[in-house]
Amino acid sequence: DIQMTQSPSVLSASVGDRVTLNCKASQNINKYLNWYQQKLGEAPKLLIYNTNNLQTGIPSRFSGSGSGTDYTLTISSLQPEDVATYFCFQHNSWPTFGAGTKLELK
Amino acid sequence: QVTLKESGPGILQPSQTLSLTCSFSGFSLSTSGICVSWIRQPSGKGLEWLATICWEDSKGYNPSLKNRLTISKDTSNNQAFLKITSVDTADTAIYYCARTYYYSEWYYFDYWGQGVMVTVSS
Repeated sequence: DIQMTQSPSVLSASVGDRVTLNCKASQNINKYLNWYQQKLGEAPKLLIYNTNNLQTGIPSRFSGSGSGTDYTLTISSLQPEDVATYFCFQHNSWPTFGAGTKLELK
Repeated sequence: QVTLKESGPGILQPSQTLSLTCSFSGFSLSTSGICVSWIRQPSGKGLEWLATICWEDSKGYNPSLKNRLTISKDTSNNQAFLKITSVDTADTAIYYCARTYYYSEWYYFDYWGQGVMVTVSS
C-alpha cells in the first residue's frame, strides 16, 4: 500500500501569510492526489483534485502542485477561516489519506 | 442540492455486525461516473477510506478490512449501505458517506454527509 506522509503535522501562521503544506507519497502516484479541508466538528471538504484542479466554489487563494511523490497545497494569503486540518489523499492505487496538517493562527 | 445523511445503531457490542445506511438526495446512483463511498475517522484521528460502490455496481474495498466489509446500494430509494462484521473497539469512529465522482482519471469525494458516531463497547 502507498503511505502518505504530511508535513508539518502542525503549522502556525499569521493572517496574510503564504502557507505551504506538504505531502509525500511512498511511491509515484502520478498526480492522483486530492486535498481536503476539515474544520473542527465538520465533515471534510474537497479543495483540490488531481494535484491542481480547484473544486468549484473554493477560493482562488488555494492552489496545488506537484508530481511523482511530492505534492504541495499552498494558501497564498491565509485567512482566519482557513484554520483547519488539511488531509492529502491518493487514488493511484487503493485509496489512502495522509495523517493531516493542523493549521493554526499565530 | 446534494445532501447525504448517515444513520447507524449508535452503540454496539464487540463481535456484532455494524449496519450503516447512507440516504441521499440531489443525485442518482444510476448516473455514469457517480459512486458512494464510506470513510471513517476515529475521534481526534485521521481518515480511512473503507469502500466505494458505483453506478454500474462495481465495488472497491480497503484491503486491510476487505473480509469484513460489504457495500451495497438501493438505487431506486437513493440509499447506500455498509456492513462491517465482527466489530471491536478499534471500529469506534465517526462514519461518513460521500458522493464520489469516479471516471477515467478522476476520483474524488465531492459531497459528504455530516457523519454518524458509532461506539463499540461491552
